[in-house]
Amino acid sequence: GAGVSQSPSNKVTEKGKDVELRCDPISGHTALYWYRQSLGQGLEFLIYFQGNSAPDKSGLPSDRFSAERTGGSVSTLTIQRTQQEDSAVYLCASSFRGFEGYTFGSGTRLTVV
Amino acid sequence: AQKITQTQPGMFVQEKEAVTLDCTYDTSDQSYGLFWYKQPSSGEMIFLIYQGSYDEQNATEGRYSLNFQKARKSANLVISASQLGDSAMYFCAMRGYNNNDMRFGAGTRLTVKP
Repeated sequence: GAGVSQSPSNKVTEKGKDVELRCDPISGHTALYWYRQSLGQGLEFLIYFQGNSAPDKSGLPSDRFSAERTGGSVSTLTIQRTQQEDSAVYLCASSFRGFEGYTFGSGTRLTVV
Repeated sequence: AQKITQTQPGMFVQEKEAVTLDCTYDTSDQSYGLFWYKQPSSGEMIFLIYQGSYDEQNATEGRYSLNFQKARKSANLVISASQLGDSAMYFCAMRGYNNNDMRFGAGTRLTVKP
């Protein structure tokens, strides 16, 4: 696609429920990244994909967080048993090879009530 | 480990004047890249400018320039002729050539006054 697409743009969920966030990167971009941005804060790295593999999962905050990427394209970030502290904007970015400037999506604003 | 420090939580500048946003970094990597992003109130992250650690000249992109001082590990963003539309959060970021992710500073909120 022309840009990085994320869905949903907004998600309100009850505490304890599972959520899935989707990222569709720019066609041909092999590298994909997930970041989390809490209100008024900087970006916190979560996970990186090169193709379908995730060599660096060090940023996932707990084992309730997982991510996968299929076909070297779409990625889903899953948060199980959501907690209120999971409320944030989740940003996805992609790049062609991984070193140049990233292109970010518009993010998914997650609110856990 | 990499660390990016932006010491100015907020900055004000008069329209048409130049402003410098500070960024210092710490890394053990020999080769790395430095980036600046703009985040308007709408939330999207907009890539502005890139500087490679081995680039001898400071990067420039239109009204944006990066004042790169390698020995001091600083990569300040200079915005010339500020416009009202420049009001936004600005993030400095860094990535080592052998690392898989880009790390961001806490950001500086720039407000351009008419």
